[in-house]
Amino acid sequence: SQQGEEDPQALSIQEGENATMNCSYKTSINNLQWYRQNSGRGLVHLILIRSNEREKHSGRLRVTLDTSKKSSSLLITASRAADTASYFCAVAGGTSYGKLTFGQGTILTVHP
Amino acid sequence: DAMVIQNPRYQVTQFGKPVTLSCSQTLNHNVMYWYQQKSSQAPKLLFHYYDKDFNNEADTPDNFQSRRPNTSFCFLDIRSPGLGDAAMYLCATSRRDRSRDRVWYEQYFGPGTRLTVT
Repeated sequence: SQQGEEDPQALSIQEGENATMNCSYKTSINNLQWYRQNSGRGLVHLILIRSNEREKHSGRLRVTLDTSKKSSSLLITASRAADTASYFCAVAGGTSYGKLTFGQGTILTVHP
Repeated sequence: DAMVIQNPRYQVTQFGKPVTLSCSQTLNHNVMYWYQQKSSQAPKLLFHYYDKDFNNEADTPDNFQSRRPNTSFCFLDIRSPGLGDAAMYLCATSRRDRSRDRVWYEQYFGPGTRLTVT
């Protein structure tokens, strides 16, 4: 299975602190994507990093990818209470085109 | 704004009573997906359409069917819902470029339909 595995399962921080979530996967990938899900809602795409990229930024988000270690991390800087959500990594690749395989997610709670 | 719309947002059905969930999109994407997500779990892909081509996941129960009458709409039919089918059902869309067949793009999700089976 290519399923991403995320660590930690839950993270609780204060507003203004940085939050780091990690994702590991098992096989080769085309790209790795991060999504956010607010409670009871759909997923929102945050960032996509291709297998030939090592780092990508989007606003307060920084994603790194280490294909040799088959791992990725998502860093949210200067977190806000509104960042409270579940964060999922999803890997794209293999023989089944278009299929994303999601990790179990990290539940982030940012306290005001 | 271009978007993915799911109706209804909440659906209650009885055990064994067929139910249909709908998804529409204004993004003009050629790929549409259906996911099932149970509480505190990852979304699980049920199937997807690439244009009119239907792609079923090997472990999707026969109880789940789908229809895509045109580019904009896709339906999820649950023929005989069981208690274990209670979940959030997520529709997503993506584009696929036939000239760049090995390129994956991001997916755009609808808000989901919460299905309760009584």
